[in-house]
Amino acid sequence: AQSVTQLGSHVSVSEGALVLLRCNYSSSVPPYLFWYVQYPNQGLQLLLKYTTGATLVKGINGFEAEFKKSETSFHLTKPSAHMSDAAEYFCAVSEPYSGGGADGLTFGKGTHLIIQP
Amino acid sequence: DTAVSQTPKYLVTQMGNDKSIKCEQNLGHDTMYWYKQDSKKFLKIMFSYNNKELIINETVPNRFSPKSPDKAHLNLHINSLELGDSAVYFCASSQLAGPEQFFGPGTRLTVL
Repeated sequence: AQSVTQLGSHVSVSEGALVLLRCNYSSSVPPYLFWYVQYPNQGLQLLLKYTTGATLVKGINGFEAEFKKSETSFHLTKPSAHMSDAAEYFCAVSEPYSGGGADGLTFGKGTHLIIQP
Repeated sequence: DTAVSQTPKYLVTQMGNDKSIKCEQNLGHDTMYWYKQDSKKFLKIMFSYNNKELIINETVPNRFSPKSPDKAHLNLHINSLELGDSAVYFCASSQLAGPEQFFGPGTRLTVL
């Protein structure tokens, strides 16, 4: 069974500072990995994903994440935080395609990102 | 140009009632999902469905049932609502051959 651990339910950074949100996973095979963002009272928006290939993936809004198999991690970073980045961030995994992503995503518990002015 | 839409956005009802939440996607995807987000914002898969199979999370009570009239729709029917069913329910869709899932805006269900 897969599981996802997001370290820190709340992370606070100053505007302009580095954002680092941590995600570790447990899976019997290297999974597909995702970061989603949820703004208040909205649905989830995909920030970026890793399936195969280059381990450093770039997403929207200046975010990027690096897949490190040896550390079973997929941490999300952004060099300079902006006030508009304040939101809930979810790391998720799915089984590599073997007939479909129909198994659904397994989510971490989320990290609430707070941006201090 | 909404990709995944849900209705209603808010649903307030009494315990014991039966209710439905509708989901439609115009992305041409062949697989659809329902997720439940609890009060602590934890998201959990409830169902995934394509034209070949329905996969049910074993923890979901059988009071919940998905109904798909066609590939673009996956509605969620809930019978005999309980207080613990209060949550935000998200619909999502993807291609069976692709890992990305696109989420709807959510339906906040409150059971009184």
